[in-house]
Amino acid sequence: GAVVSQHPSWVICKSGTSVKIECRSLDFQATTMFWYRQFPKQSLMLMATSNEGSKATYEQGVEKDKFLINHASLTLSTLTVTSAHPEDSSFYICSAPDVGGAGEQYFGPGTRLTVT
Amino acid sequence: SQQGEEDPQALSIQEGENATMNCSYKTSINNLQWYRQNSGRGLVHLILIRSNEREKHSGRLRVTLDTSKKSSSLLITASRAADTASYFCATDETTDSWGKLQFGAGTQVVVTP
Repeated sequence: GAVVSQHPSWVICKSGTSVKIECRSLDFQATTMFWYRQFPKQSLMLMATSNEGSKATYEQGVEKDKFLINHASLTLSTLTVTSAHPEDSSFYICSAPDVGGAGEQYFGPGTRLTVT
Repeated sequence: SQQGEEDPQALSIQEGENATMNCSYKTSINNLQWYRQNSGRGLVHLILIRSNEREKHSGRLRVTLDTSKKSSSLLITASRAADTASYFCATDETTDSWGKLQFGAGTQVVVTP
């Protein structure tokens, strides 16, 4: 089946720095990808929709200037957490829809971000 | 925002027993999906049921959907230790933003040998 990868799988950074997370569709093209955030013991919360060739659309309450999304190609979306703070520490997961399917999503393995 | 709730929050059973978890949602949906997540890992798609379907099977999984009650259930039969994971329902609500999912709170299942 289709595979979505994320890089890095985990990252530790200091407060105030920026961190970039990549999401790649390995064997299919994805004009749309989604970014989720998951805090420990909680569910996934949709952050934004990444659109190839146009601006990302953000969910209510998600700061677009803090979480920069760039859909650089049909196989790559990046999420940059700018000026990271400890409360940004979370598990970030991307997904891409199975265009040929009925609505299933292929999820990346996630990126664990820890801000110290 | 999260679409709905799942219950129970946690479930502990022995191998061979069945596990049932429920999901409720709030708005009209195109489909409802169930996913499994092992601790600290990504999500694995289990089954998708469309809004015009009432029941679906896949191996040891059985999913029901009652759109009048806005609820769904996932049944895992003859559970195995490897079924230990968190299970999430997710709804695809809109037609203008296809693929955008709203997740339930999840049910943590522990299967003991």
